[in-house]
Amino acid sequence: DVVMTQTPVSLPVSLGGQASISCRSSQSLVHSNGNTYLHWYLQKPGQSPQLLIYRVSNRFSGVPDRFSGSGSGTDFTLKISRVEPEDLGDYYCLQSTHFPLTFGSGTKLEIK
Amino acid sequence: EVQLVETGGGLVQPGRSLKLSCVASGFTFSSYWMYWIRQAPGKGLEWVSSINTDGGSTYYPDSVKGRFTISRDNAENTVYLQMNSLRSEDTATYYCAKSGFGVPFAYWGQGTLVTVSS
Repeated sequence: DVVMTQTPVSLPVSLGGQASISCRSSQSLVHSNGNTYLHWYLQKPGQSPQLLIYRVSNRFSGVPDRFSGSGSGTDFTLKISRVEPEDLGDYYCLQSTHFPLTFGSGTKLEIK
Repeated sequence: EVQLVETGGGLVQPGRSLKLSCVASGFTFSSYWMYWIRQAPGKGLEWVSSINTDGGSTYYPDSVKGRFTISRDNAENTVYLQMNSLRSEDTATYYCAKSGFGVPFAYWGQGTLVTVSS
């Protein structure tokens, strides 16, 4: 199975500041069709997860441009600029290139 | 608007069975793969099962293979998860999800809690 290693586990940030979350995979996430199936989710307290970024760098419908994704191969990053209170929660990366689908262990974004 | 509503959770004894349902609306159900994902209390997310559009192909991780069965009724816009031989480690909130944009879990339901305990 592909192991997704997310860091940090906890990320204290100041409102208005910037946050960066890393997700590394144990093998390349480049599919044989050339696409890279790495996605990012946010789970706000008491809610279901919601899709933020799909296929590395594409913002999902309604996601503000403060969120950006980047990376390639085995190394990926989610950046959040101008952090707002509504951004707080648990962030997860997901790979769907290989079976079984696997999530990172999560990063809790909290106020400093 | 995509809506996914899960039902069927509850308290069940180890070794017993439970069947979850997820009713979908707001999209052409028969055109999309559907999924179940779970989250143990205070823990991360784990993919549990997938089913293709006509129900002819299903997929599971080793942790539930042989015990869980996903199925769908396209006439009723519903996906099911039959869970047999339940264990304490199956205790979790179970989410139903729909694919989209090349992402398996583009939309999620609100989840239903399954507690396996004697």
